[in-house]
Amino acid sequence: AQTVTQSQPEMSVQEAETVTLSCTYDTSESDYYLFWYKQPPSRQMILVIRQEAYKQQNATENRFSVNFQKAAKSFSLKISDSQLGDAAMYFCVIQGGSEKLVFGKGTKLTVNP
Amino acid sequence: DTGVSQDPRHKITKRGQNVTFRCDPISEHNRLYWYRQTLGQGPEFLTYFQNEAQLEKSRLLSDRFSAERPKGSFSTLEIQRTEQGDSAMYLCASSSGRPDSYEQYFGPGTRLTVT
Repeated sequence: AQTVTQSQPEMSVQEAETVTLSCTYDTSESDYYLFWYKQPPSRQMILVIRQEAYKQQNATENRFSVNFQKAAKSFSLKISDSQLGDAAMYFCVIQGGSEKLVFGKGTKLTVNP
Repeated sequence: DTGVSQDPRHKITKRGQNVTFRCDPISEHNRLYWYRQTLGQGPEFLTYFQNEAQLEKSRLLSDRFSAERPKGSFSTLEIQRTEQGDSAMYLCASSSGRPDSYEQYFGPGTRLTVT
């Protein structure tokens, strides 16, 4: 079984500042993928960033980057230059051994102007 | 691409009634997924289709739940004899299945309220 733990139910950040969302996971799979998905209020879930477990280099996508620590089973998301549109629920997700995504409980991010 | 669509967006039903939801994936996507999201939780996997074949089912999918994808295009999720615990957002997602395209694209969801 795979599990994902997000220990921060809520976070807030000032516009233009940087924020880091934490995530730890557990899996017995040797080959897996990690994702951060974003769910804005009343809108569809969208993919923010993806990390292949076999890659040592941390993924980056514009203002979004991850800190992937495989031995520690840690996968944090850093959002730089936060914008009002970044306000959403952020889910840490693992996929390994099958097609299904396993989600954490989410972190609600508030961006203050 | 028009995106993944789901119908209806909201459904209110009385306990014991049957409900059916529809999902239309992005055209040419051969993989289709159903998830359930309860308040304050992340989505939980229910089932997955590759074309018309249902390849994986969660233990969450009790005998009252059935999903179909008869022609490998749209899918339906039926819940028989609904219970209050079935109240949730039901999310559909699709993916192309190509090795270079891993993303699951989600629809807006169907919010079910069982009274």
